[in-house]
Amino acid sequence: AQSVTQLGSHVSVSEGALVLLRCNYSSSVPPYLFWYVQYPNQGLQLLLKYTSAATLVKGINGFEAEFKKSETSFHLTKPSAHMSDAAEHGCAPRDHGFNKFYFGSGTKLNVKP
Amino acid sequence: DTAVSQTPKYLVTQMGNDKSIKCEQNLGHDTMYWYKQDSKKFLKIMFSYNNKELIINETVPNRFSPKSPDKAHLNLHINSLELGDSAVYFCASSRAGENTEAFFGQGTRLTVV
Repeated sequence: AQSVTQLGSHVSVSEGALVLLRCNYSSSVPPYLFWYVQYPNQGLQLLLKYTSAATLVKGINGFEAEFKKSETSFHLTKPSAHMSDAAEHGCAPRDHGFNKFYFGSGTKLNVKP
Repeated sequence: DTAVSQTPKYLVTQMGNDKSIKCEQNLGHDTMYWYKQDSKKFLKIMFSYNNKELIINETVPNRFSPKSPDKAHLNLHINSLELGDSAVYFCASSRAGENTEAFFGQGTRLTVV
């Protein structure tokens, strides 16, 4: 069964600094991969997704992620953090043939002024 | 027009009661899900339905019973509520294609007292 690891339950960066949120999946067959964001007291919004096309994926709000098969990773980055980026972020692999999005423990991004 | 809507948004109830959460999607999707969000995990899959048929039941207690009267609706009924059931419950839907993302409702915060 698929599992996903998000290293760092809390990540704190200064405004304008690089954001790096880590995500590693476990399956030997690369899944489809999704990053979601949850702002306080709101639902989930899709940031970006990897669907076997380009390995570098650009999403909304300046976020991007790179799929690396050799590292079984799909880390989320943003060159310059903004205060509005403060939120919970969840990485979700979806295995081929399964109607199921696996979520890890999530990473809470805090942006300091 | 809300794509995935859940009612109620907040639910406070006493231990032992039975309650239901309703979910409707107007996206024409074939697959619907229930996820639970608590302090341990960003989101944990509970159930997945495809064309009104249950396809995933992630070892959820029998007190939880999903019902899908049609493809656009997936309701969650909970019997004999316990303190540990307190969480935020999210409904979601997706198209059948595996590289497609899930769309989430705003969540229902259930508090059992």
